[in-house]
Amino acid sequence: GIQVEQSPPDLILQEGANSTLRCNFSDSVNNLQWFHQNPWGQLINLFYIPSGTKQNGRLSATTVATERYSLLYISSSQTTDSGVYFCAVEPYDYKLSFGAGTTVTVRA
Amino acid sequence: NAGVTQTPKFRVLKTGQSMTLLCAQDMNHEYMYWYRQDPGMGLRLIHYSVGEGTTAKGEVPDGYNVSRLKKQNFLLGLESAAPSQTSVYFCASSQSGTSGSYEQYFGPGTRLTVT
Repeated sequence: GIQVEQSPPDLILQEGANSTLRCNFSDSVNNLQWFHQNPWGQLINLFYIPSGTKQNGRLSATTVATERYSLLYISSSQTTDSGVYFCAVEPYDYKLSFGAGTTVTVRA
Repeated sequence: NAGVTQTPKFRVLKTGQSMTLLCAQDMNHEYMYWYRQDPGMGLRLIHYSVGEGTTAKGEVPDGYNVSRLKKQNFLLGLESAAPSQTSVYFCASSQSGTSGSYEQYFGPGTRLTVT
């Protein structure tokens, strides 16, 4: 099946810092989503981004489908940004495959 | 519009007991999914459905059964629970690809412990 690799596995930030999370995938995809799992376990949709660039407040994402990677940017990080960020891809078979996630800790 | 809801939120079972997890969505989505999440890992697909009356196996289907008798509901059953099924279970739904976005929407999860 498709391989999804996220880096880095862990990230510690000081409040106000910027950061970039990366997701590499091994095959062409029909769907790519970024999720934030908050400390209470809830999965929150951040972006549906099979290609191109999107922005939502302090978060933005870029997917370069031809090169099989996606980037999630967090600017001016806040403590509420802490949690695990997952990248998930769907290679034209209706099924999402998740990466292992990046655990982000933002310190005040 | 509640989105995707899951019942129950928490459950403790003894080994060998059975239970059913209920997922409901009010977005008229065609596709529904059950995932499990184990500590430190991403989600893994258990079973999925591409429409009412259809089901298919995902990555880790053993020990689980599913049914989709109504479009809005997707049930996950454990016939004889084992400690290895201790996990957090997430349900998700998405619209048909022919109608546009494949974006999946997730429920709040069910935390199951098998002792």
